[in-house]
Amino acid sequence: AQSVTQLDSHVSVSEGTPVLLRCNYSSSYSPSLFWYVQHPNKGLQLLLKYTSAATLVKGINGFEAEFKKSETSFHLTKPSAHMSDAAEYFCVVSALNTNAGKSTFGDGTTLTVKP
Amino acid sequence: DAGITQSPRYKITETGRQVTLMCHQTWSHSYMFWYRQDLGHGLRLIYYSAAADITDKGEVPDGYVVSRSKTENFPLTLESATRSQTSVYFCASSDLSSYNSPLHFGNGTRLTVT
Repeated sequence: AQSVTQLDSHVSVSEGTPVLLRCNYSSSYSPSLFWYVQHPNKGLQLLLKYTSAATLVKGINGFEAEFKKSETSFHLTKPSAHMSDAAEYFCVVSALNTNAGKSTFGDGTTLTVKP
Repeated sequence: DAGITQSPRYKITETGRQVTLMCHQTWSHSYMFWYRQDLGHGLRLIYYSAAADITDKGEVPDGYVVSRSKTENFPLTLESATRSQTSVYFCASSDLSSYNSPLHFGNGTRLTVT
């Protein structure tokens, strides 16, 4: 069984300040972890993924995430928020042993960036 | 251009009508998925397909039918639409060549059932 919990449904930051979106997961097997971003009226776009090669993963648009097995966390960060970062963010877990590699989505975190 | 295309982008239909949402991908990915997105529920898997002529139920399959006669197409049919099926529907595909292969999403279909 696997699950994902995004700890904040809404996060608001000022432009130029750091962003932290929190994600905890549970999985019976070695998980694969992803962050996706969804802009209004758009589909989800891959930001980054954890591949087990490195615990610190760099993604697009300056985002990165750190896999911490001991804390079962995969938090998303960005040093300096930009107005264009305002969107919905989803943390996703999948594992090889799940049926057909189906993914489990968190409920999403809405990021607001204030000028 | 390679990608995944959903049509229509917006659809309004009446309760009891049949409606089909289309999904087409140009990557030749083996796996395709249908999700619905509702406030407070995130994305929930409706049906998925591992290859042409192979489909299986997801988390919320009731009231939906899928088919996959060709690798590139994965239509979703609501046989008798209900108001509870008002939602945004996303199609996705993946080659799942490894378990960390990402999903590729279409831009969604916003369906309103009146």
